[in-house]
Amino acid sequence: DIQMTQSPSTLSASVGDRVTITCRASQSISSWLAWYQQKPGKAPKLLIYKVSTLESGVPSRFSGSGSETEFTLTINSLQPDDFATYYCQQYHSYSYSFGQGTKLEIK
Amino acid sequence: QVQLVESGGGLVKPEGSLRLSCTASGFTFSDYYMSWIRQAPGKGLEWISYISSRSGSIYYADSVKGRFTISRDNAKSSLHLQMNSLRADDTAVYYCTRDHGGYGGFFDLWGQGTLVTVSS
Repeated sequence: DIQMTQSPSTLSASVGDRVTITCRASQSISSWLAWYQQKPGKAPKLLIYKVSTLESGVPSRFSGSGSETEFTLTINSLQPDDFATYYCQQYHSYSYSFGQGTKLEIK
Repeated sequence: QVQLVESGGGLVKPEGSLRLSCTASGFTFSDYYMSWIRQAPGKGLEWISYISSRSGSIYYADSVKGRFTISRDNAKSSLHLQMNSLRADDTAVYYCTRDHGGYGGFFDLWGQGTLVTVSS
């Protein structure tokens, strides 16, 4: 099975900052990577798929990059609504798997 | 309104059984692959099972293989998860999800989740 590892586990930042979250796969997953945002008590929300394609309605301050085994999610000009937990997910092969999550906190 | 609504969660004893259901509305359910994903309290997300649009392909995570059974009824726009031999580590919120674009492998629509607690 493919293991997904995110870093950091927790990230403290301020409104207006630019932040980057990294996701590493234990083997190549080509471009089959998605990112989700989850707020407390809510279901996750799809942000990005196929590494860098923004889901409809997602603000352009979110962007994704990477390939094979290393991927990043970047959020430019953090907004108050962006403080949440972020997960990457590989869909290269079954079992699909998620990273352990990165909690983005207000500094 | 495009939505997924789960039901059937609750408190069950170890080794017990529970059947979760998910009712879809606002889209053509039979066009989409569907998955169940769970989240233990305070933990991350775990994909546990997938079913193709016509039930021809089914996959399970190793953690539930042999104990859980996924099924769907396209006529009723419903998805089910039969859970047997439940263990304490099955305690989680269980989400019903829709594959993006029909069979994308990633999930663009999630239900609100239903909590399953396995405890004596």
